Amino acid sequence: GENVEQHPSTLSVQEGDSAVIKCTYSDSASNYFPWYKQELGKGPQLIIDIRSNVGEKKDQRIAVTLNKTAKHFSLHITETQPEDSAVYFCAPTPYNNNDMRFGAGTRLTVKP
Amino acid sequence: GAGVSQSPRYKVAKRGQDVALRCDPISGHVSLFWYQQALGQGPEFLTYFQNEAQLDKSGLPSDRFFAERPEGSVSTLKIQRTQQEDSAVYLCASSLTASNYGYTFGSGTRLTVV
Repeated sequence: GENVEQHPSTLSVQEGDSAVIKCTYSDSASNYFPWYKQELGKGPQLIIDIRSNVGEKKDQRIAVTLNKTAKHFSLHITETQPEDSAVYFCAPTPYNNNDMRFGAGTRLTVKP
Repeated sequence: GAGVSQSPRYKVAKRGQDVALRCDPISGHVSLFWYQQALGQGPEFLTYFQNEAQLDKSGLPSDRFFAERPEGSVSTLKIQRTQQEDSAVYLCASSLTASNYGYTFGSGTRLTVV
């Protein structure tokens, strides 16, 4: 089965700084790599995803980079804002697999 | 509706009591998933429906857990004889197609067993 690890488990940055969260996985069959953001009292929300035929994807202030050889992918948030404060989860998965395996989460705090 | 709706938002149950948690997915969404999220952890898969068919229930922790989606729309997760270790947030998600791409999660039901 998939073994998923996220680092760091907590991250505190000053507003305007960049934040990077890394996700490592073990299942070489994984080919879909999403990142979810979960705010207090809400369900996870998909913020960006990438498939294994692409190395990088960017959407405004957020980006995801994939190193499939090393089995890790990272979430990059630039120009962080207080509203970016949340818990972020990665969930590397074989595409069309029912069982998405989430990491334990990274709590990001952006200080104003 | 515009999103996935779950009810109740909070449920307190006495140990041994049966509970039923409801999920209203986005209209027209084929796939429906249930996840369990313990405090401070990531969501863990429980079960998956494609329309009314329960195609995967490998994540259900015991035979006290039962899920149904009889008409391919609303789903109910039932937990019989609740125990303290069942305390968690139960999340429902739906997606338009028969894949895990583009999940939309509800806000969850927080179950506390006392």
